[in-house]
Amino acid sequence: EVQLVESGGGLVQPGRSLKLSCVASGFTFNNYWMTWIRQAPGKGLEWVASITNTGGSTYYPDSVKGRFTISRDNAKSTLYLQMNSLRSEDTATYYCTRDRGYYYSSYNPSWYFDFWGPGTMVTVSS
Amino acid sequence: DVQMTQSPSYLAASPGESVSISCKASKSINTYLAWYQEKPGKTNKLLIYSGSTLQSGTPSRFSGSGSGTDFTLTIRSLEPEDFAVYYCQQHNEYPLTFGSGTKLEIK
Repeated sequence: EVQLVESGGGLVQPGRSLKLSCVASGFTFNNYWMTWIRQAPGKGLEWVASITNTGGSTYYPDSVKGRFTISRDNAKSTLYLQMNSLRSEDTATYYCTRDRGYYYSSYNPSWYFDFWGPGTMVTVSS
Repeated sequence: DVQMTQSPSYLAASPGESVSISCKASKSINTYLAWYQEKPGKTNKLLIYSGSTLQSGTPSRFSGSGSGTDFTLTIRSLEPEDFAVYYCQQHNEYPLTFGSGTKLEIK
């Protein structure tokens, strides 16, 4: 059974940093691209960051580029999100997701997400 | 960025009825649209991708249609477990973007 479990959320002051983790199980982690998605209270979903299966490339929207860093440790089946210079607008539940992907000479992304974690809440407030 | 506009935001229906949810993209996304279901206490579920392809495990009463800028999620003969929030997401280009959601409630 595929499972994604996030941790590391909490209350943090504006301008400070926080690092989220997501432990994956039930599948071959290093075969899949992974993505963080967030949802602010009462708002819709927002794509935050994606990473290739090897960790060699990363992708971000402008809203977090330069402040957030996605990374992974395939030996530990763990995905990370380092969040720096946090702002009040970063307050959200952060979800770890698996890109459904497909294999064609290499592991490729589909850019949609077939498994989600339950999320971890991040509150940025003084 | 591709803006995704979902409508309605709120929908009330009775079990057994059929409903449709619209998702419009601000520019053509070919058929690269996914639909998700969100329910309290459960992790989000991928229902449909590439506009009309059912994810494994999605009941056949769910269907997706559309291409270009206009897409529709249809649920035939609603079951009690279908009352949830539904989101669309374009998977055609970066940045990936989502609709604002449609809450389907029991009438």
